Amino acid sequence: SAVISQKPSRDICQRGTSLTIQCQVDSQVTMMFWYRQQPGQSLTLIATANQGSEATYESGFVIDKFPISRPNLTFSTLTVSNMSPEDSSIYLCSVGPRTDTQYFGPGTRLTVL
Amino acid sequence: AQSVTQLGSHVSVSEGALVLLRCNYSSSVPPYLFWYVQYPNQGLQLLLKYTSAATLVKGINGFEAEFKKSETSFHLTKPSAHMSDAAEYFCAVSDRNMLTFGGGTRLMVKP
Repeated sequence: SAVISQKPSRDICQRGTSLTIQCQVDSQVTMMFWYRQQPGQSLTLIATANQGSEATYESGFVIDKFPISRPNLTFSTLTVSNMSPEDSSIYLCSVGPRTDTQYFGPGTRLTVL
Repeated sequence: AQSVTQLGSHVSVSEGALVLLRCNYSSSVPPYLFWYVQYPNQGLQLLLKYTSAATLVKGINGFEAEFKKSETSFHLTKPSAHMSDAAEYFCAVSDRNMLTFGGGTRLMVKP
């Protein structure tokens, strides 16, 4: 299994600002995913980060709010833009096949005041 | 699309007691079923995976899960709970498009 790291591990941000979360994998992977885990809830897939092309967003998530970069096969970033308290969540990146075992990073715990 | 239901958002057991965490999926048989565990302040870790090779799947840390097609269930069990098992547990299923996660069950272990 891949070793995945995320930065920052947690942050407290002000309403209206943006935060960029980094995800680094110790090996080259084809597919990387970003999930949101709202307080007390399960994981929801935000988007698939595609290397060399635009990210693919799930229903309810848009690029203007969650821009994603994937400059190479080991790295991706997720930006949470124009934040509001409703964006307070844990954001996780994962790698693996879209419909099979995925391995997750430790998550970024975001609090928006 | 698949859906996953985990009965009981919170389960409390005594140390040494049986752990039973329930998971039901929607009617069509998914290719894969998973249990993940999330320890406090950590990401998700794969406990076990069902692939149709065997209905009883053994995972890490003494956990196992049994796939029952007639009941559309994939419940997670451990014969004897340990304090270190306290965590959030997620059942997940795959369909042709993505992984779908259940709402999670927080397991508390009392001394």
